Amino acid sequence: SYVVTQPPSVSVAPGQTATISCGGNNIGSKTVSWYQQKPGQAPLLVFSDYGDRPSGIPERFSGSKSGNTATLTISRVDSGDEADLYCQVWDSTSDVVFGGGTKLTVL
Amino acid sequence: QVQLQESGPGLVKPSETLSLTCAVSGASISSYYWSWIRQPPGKGLEWIGFIYYTGSTKYNPSLKSRVAMSLDTSKEQFYLELTSVTAADTAVYYCARERRGWDTKWFDPWGPGTLVTVSS
Repeated sequence: SYVVTQPPSVSVAPGQTATISCGGNNIGSKTVSWYQQKPGQAPLLVFSDYGDRPSGIPERFSGSKSGNTATLTISRVDSGDEADLYCQVWDSTSDVVFGGGTKLTVL
Repeated sequence: QVQLQESGPGLVKPSETLSLTCAVSGASISSYYWSWIRQPPGKGLEWIGFIYYTGSTKYNPSLKSRVAMSLDTSKEQFYLELTSVTAADTAVYYCARERRGWDTKWFDPWGPGTLVTVSS
């Protein structure tokens, strides 16, 4: 089965750039989607490298991928960006696969 | 604007069946795939499965023997049944619209979720 791995936590100072990684075998060849989940709320799609940027999501959220790593980048971070971030891919064998999530803390 | 809303009992006894409804508004249920996803308290996301308006379904192999999904196009609702529940099935259950592309799928939007606790 296909597995994707995320770091449990990432911390960043306000105004700086946060990078959240998502590792998987040859993930650079897959479409990766990212979800933001704030406490008590449902996940929200913030980036997918398939199609247009989700409606209402600022350009501060961007994604990239290469080889075995995909990355979500959040620029000019503020306290409102504190959340759990999940990556998700589709694999022909495993179907939908979610990463374990990364807790983003704004210092 | 597409909106989804889950509903159902918040408490289910062990060995019984969990039954949830997802009401769709702002889109025709016949135009998309629809999924259920769950999240145990303090843990990550687990895809349960999807249903298409034709009745076609696919389930996570880890739950396949206990899961059934159905839908009612006239009511713009789809449903989840999970049998023989245990405490491990305690989770927030989300319904979501499944979007598809070439060799990919993603979820947007999601319902707000409903907490189901399995306890006697």
